[in-house]
Amino acid sequence: SQQGEEDPQALSIQEGENATMNCSYKTSINNLQWYRQNSGRGLVHLILIRSNEREKHSGRLRVTLDTSKKSSSLLITASRAADTASYFCATDGDGGSQGNLIFGKGTKLSVKP
Amino acid sequence: DARVTQTPRHKVTEMGQEVTMRCQPILGHNTVFWYRQTMMQGLELLAYFRNRAPLDDSGMPKDRFSAEMPDATLATLKIQPSEPRDSAVYFCASARQGMNTEAFFGQGTRLTVV
Repeated sequence: SQQGEEDPQALSIQEGENATMNCSYKTSINNLQWYRQNSGRGLVHLILIRSNEREKHSGRLRVTLDTSKKSSSLLITASRAADTASYFCATDGDGGSQGNLIFGKGTKLSVKP
Repeated sequence: DARVTQTPRHKVTEMGQEVTMRCQPILGHNTVFWYRQTMMQGLELLAYFRNRAPLDDSGMPKDRFSAEMPDATLATLKIQPSEPRDSAVYFCASARQGMNTEAFFGQGTRLTVV
């Protein structure tokens, strides 16, 4: 399976601290995406990093990708209570163009005010 | 404001009954995904379509589940007969064709089979 695996499963921090979540996957990819899910809601896309990119920023988000280690990390800086949610990484098909999207089991982030 | 619309939002049904979940993808998106989310298994890809053709439905129990796209504006996921272990939240997502595009998710259908 090419499913991504997030680590840690749960993370609890204080507002203002940084949160780092990691994702490992098994097969070659075209891109890796990070999504956020608030409780009881659908997933919302955060950021996409292509296989030939190593780092990408979007606001308070920083994503890195290491294809040699088949791993990615999501850093949220200066966290806020509103960042409390589950975060998932998703990878596409085996380097091919089928474009399926396989998700990991997620990291549940709790940011305490 | 373009969005993926799923109906119904909630469904409670008795074991053995047929359940149909519907999804309206974003206009212009030609890729549709169906996912099932449970605490134990997380987000499982059940099936996905491109240009209304099924590309992969290997994640779907074939004996009771079926997924179709009668037209470009409607995707359906049917369970017949339903079982208590099918209780989950079912998500539909759509995307434009291409290798580096994001998926847009609906709000999900929360299914409870009693």
